[in-house]
Amino acid sequence: EAGVAQSPRYKIIEKRQSVAFWCNPISGHATLYWYQQILGQGPKLLIQFQNNGVVDDSQLPKDRFSAERLKGVDSTLKIQPAKLEDSAVYLCASSVSPNSPLHFGNGTRLTVT
Amino acid sequence: SQQGEEDPQALSIQEGENATMNCSYKTSINNLQWYRQNSGRGLVHLILIRSNEREKHSGRLRVTLDTSKKSSSLLITASRAADTASYFCATGLTGGGNKLTFGTGTQLKVEL
Repeated sequence: EAGVAQSPRYKIIEKRQSVAFWCNPISGHATLYWYQQILGQGPKLLIQFQNNGVVDDSQLPKDRFSAERLKGVDSTLKIQPAKLEDSAVYLCASSVSPNSPLHFGNGTRLTVT
Repeated sequence: SQQGEEDPQALSIQEGENATMNCSYKTSINNLQWYRQNSGRGLVHLILIRSNEREKHSGRLRVTLDTSKKSSSLLITASRAADTASYFCATGLTGGGNKLTFGTGTQLKVEL
């Protein structure tokens, strides 16, 4: 089966600019997750979708981050405006259902200068 | 916040040796999962152990779970250079709907 697709692979922007990341989960996977992984740390959950509804966004900095999953398939994560501390790898993952293993994409490495 | 803490932070062994990584967590869990991450790549699921299980095997992997001590261990037997990666434990909280919280990871280096 095709894996989780993410784009772009790398992105460099200046602080205060905006950026968007795209994720296409594995076909049929109802649950989609966005994680932020800062260098040297484990992934931190930003938002979890079940189909096109938000299950958990408690750690999403909502003043600057937004995410949507239209039609319960693809998802985009946006940062506006970016800060230096947003430099990280943004990982998208999907699973068949809650409590089943996650399948991760290769992530987008964001550098904010 | 990190729920799981892996120990050691880094581990270097020779090919053929066994590698053991430990994970401790703080609150009641539904399940605990181990993932591997190669440099510059996404995480790959290795094994899931439920809170009512004590031990699970998958190929060269053996995972144990002690809910009374809130800890888990991952044993990789007969390690290979290709096992070089970071290993993360992730806890699924009771009633959390698979909201997985990842630990800080163990960096394993297997040398020839």
